[in-house]
Amino acid sequence: DAGVIQSPRHEVTEMGQEVTLRCKPISGHDYLFWYRQTMMRGLELLIYFNNNVPIDDSGMPEDRFSAKMPNASFSTLKIQPSEPRDSAVYFCASSATGADYGYTFGSGTRLTVV
Amino acid sequence: AQKITQTQPGMFVQEKEAVTLDCTYDTSDQSYGLFWYKQPSSGEMIFLIYQGSYDEQNATEGRYSLNFQKARKSANLVISASQLGDSAMYFCAMRANTGNQFYFGTGTSLTVIP
Repeated sequence: DAGVIQSPRHEVTEMGQEVTLRCKPISGHDYLFWYRQTMMRGLELLIYFNNNVPIDDSGMPEDRFSAKMPNASFSTLKIQPSEPRDSAVYFCASSATGADYGYTFGSGTRLTVV
Repeated sequence: AQKITQTQPGMFVQEKEAVTLDCTYDTSDQSYGLFWYKQPSSGEMIFLIYQGSYDEQNATEGRYSLNFQKARKSANLVISASQLGDSAMYFCAMRANTGNQFYFGTGTSLTVIP
């Protein structure tokens, strides 16, 4: 398996623009997580899905953020409109069910909003 | 509530020496998994080692071992014979059967000195 695939690796956008981050989880994994990492706040869980259904989105900062998982092999995280404070590394991770299973992380998307 | 605590923001170790990174956790679940991840300066999150709550033996993976003390709720990572490439951020994480969500510590930055 190719692992968790995120795209793009880097994104630079202007304030006010829409940004879409993409993630392909590992086949067979039924959990998908979106995290944001910054120096100030560390790793923050934004939202996670189980079997394509959002389970907990309490970490989503505000209405400008939205996430979807239309099928088991694809998820998106959208920011509209983007702001400079959204600049961060966004990780997607997937996992099978159960305490025995760890995350497999994607390589991350480094977002810079100017 | 589930919680992971890493009290060492930064650690230094001489090359070829062993180092212990501390991690304590809190959970009311009887079944849970403990994980360590490495994040080098390149940014990716790399799985290192896993310990199940019912495992009686400490987990080992090459130069990594997990010092699991269940009664103390600690899961310290021991790196033997440190190498320059071990310089990175290290995260402790826990996953309980309840909820299937991961909980991460704030990380420890390890610097290996030649």
